[in-house]
Amino acid sequence: EVQLVESGGGSVHSGESLRLSCAASGFTVSSSYMSWVRQAPGKGLEWVSILYNGGRTYYTDSVKGRFTISRHNSENTLYLEMNNLRPEDTAVYYCARESSGWYDYWGQGTLVTVSS
Amino acid sequence: DIQMTQSPSSLSASVGDRVTITCRASQSISTYLNWYQQRPGSGPKLLIYAASRLQSGVPSRFSGSGSGTHFTLTVSSLQPEDFATYYCQQSYNTPPYTFGQGTKLEIK
Repeated sequence: EVQLVESGGGSVHSGESLRLSCAASGFTVSSSYMSWVRQAPGKGLEWVSILYNGGRTYYTDSVKGRFTISRHNSENTLYLEMNNLRPEDTAVYYCARESSGWYDYWGQGTLVTVSS
Repeated sequence: DIQMTQSPSSLSASVGDRVTITCRASQSISTYLNWYQQRPGSGPKLLIYAASRLQSGVPSRFSGSGSGTHFTLTVSSLQPEDFATYYCQQSYNTPPYTFGQGTKLEIK
């Protein structure tokens, strides 16, 4: 059974850092395309980043230079390193597996709150 | 970046109704369009991929159509568990893979 479990969220101040983790089971992260998607309180879904199995990465413009997506193959875990956090980064962060362009599995999300 | 616009933003309907949600892309995306359902407090769930293909386990009352810039999600006969928020998402070419702003389906 495929499962994605996010962790690492919390409350921080502007300029601080957090690292989110997404532990996967039932499939291999290193062979997959993996993304982070976020949702600000009461708002819609916002695509954040993707890591392809070959290592290529993409980011939405608002997080470029501040966020880094990576994986640990032996731990089958996806990460999102978030630096210089801003209040507008406050959101629930979901990890999701991409399958040929659509996201077929999602985690339950982890909440990040950034205060000014 | 490709912009996705959903309409309506909210919709009130009754159990048994047929409802249609529209999603428009700012440029042609062929059939690289997916639909998700999100219930409060939960992560999104894939309903339709590649514009019209039903994800395994999703009831057949859900259907999708369209290509190019205009897409629709139809629920043929609303059930109580269908009252949720629906999002379209494009996956054309290279990222970012943008989402629509969502359509909240409420009970009338």
